[in-house]
Amino acid sequence: DIQMTQSPSSLSASVTDRVTITCRASESINNYLNWYQQKPGKAPQLLIYDASTLQSGVPSRFSGSGSGTHFTLTISSLQPEDFATYYCQQSHSSPPITFGRGTRLDIK
Amino acid sequence: QAQLVQSGAEMRKPGASVKVSCKASGYVFTSYYLHWVRQAPGQGLEWMGVIDPSGGSTSYAQGFKGRVTMTRDTSTNIAYIHLSSLRSEDTATYYCARDQQTVVRRVKNVFDIWGQGTVVNVSS
Repeated sequence: DIQMTQSPSSLSASVTDRVTITCRASESINNYLNWYQQKPGKAPQLLIYDASTLQSGVPSRFSGSGSGTHFTLTISSLQPEDFATYYCQQSHSSPPITFGRGTRLDIK
Repeated sequence: QAQLVQSGAEMRKPGASVKVSCKASGYVFTSYYLHWVRQAPGQGLEWMGVIDPSGGSTSYAQGFKGRVTMTRDTSTNIAYIHLSSLRSEDTATYYCARDQQTVVRRVKNVFDIWGQGTVVNVSS
C-alpha cells in the first residue's frame, strides 16, 4: 500500500497569512494527488485534484503543486472560513486508496 | 444539482450487521462510480471500496473483505453498504462519495460529491 505522510499535523495561523501543507507519498504517484477540506461535523470537500487542478467553485487562493512523491497545498491569504482539517489522498494505485492523516489548521 | 443523501444514524451491538443507504439525485446514477469512506471519531479517512452502479461490480479494501458488501438499486438510484460482524472499532461516520470519472472509463478515485455521512455506533 502507498503511505501518505502529511506535515505538519497541526498548524496555527492568522487571517491573511500564507500557509503551506506538505504531503509525501511512499513511492511515486506521478500527479495522482488530491486535496480535501473538512470542517467539523461535515463531509470532506474536494479542493484540488491531479495535484494542481482547482475543483470548480474553489477560491483561487488555494493552489497545489508537486509530482512524484512530494506535494504541497498552499493557501495564499487565509480567510476565516479556511480554518479546517485538510487531507491529501493518492489516486494512483487502488485498492486501496489511501489518505494522509490530516492537517488541522487553527486560528492563532 | 448533484447530491447524495444518506440514511440516518444507527446503533448496533457487537456481532450485528448494519446497512447504510445513499440516494443519488441530480445526475445519472449509473454513470458514475460510487465509493464508501469511513471516519472513526477524531480520526482520518479510510477508503472501504467502490461500486460501478451500471453493472454492480465492486472492489473492496483488503481489510474489509468478507465483511462488506456494496450493492445498488438502479430503480431507486440508491447505493447500499452492508457491514457484518460489527465490532467497537467499526464505530465511525460512513460516507458515500461519487467518483469524478464516468463508468465508460477506468475509475479515477477522485471524490467530487459526498453524502452528509451516517454515524454508526457499535456498543454493547
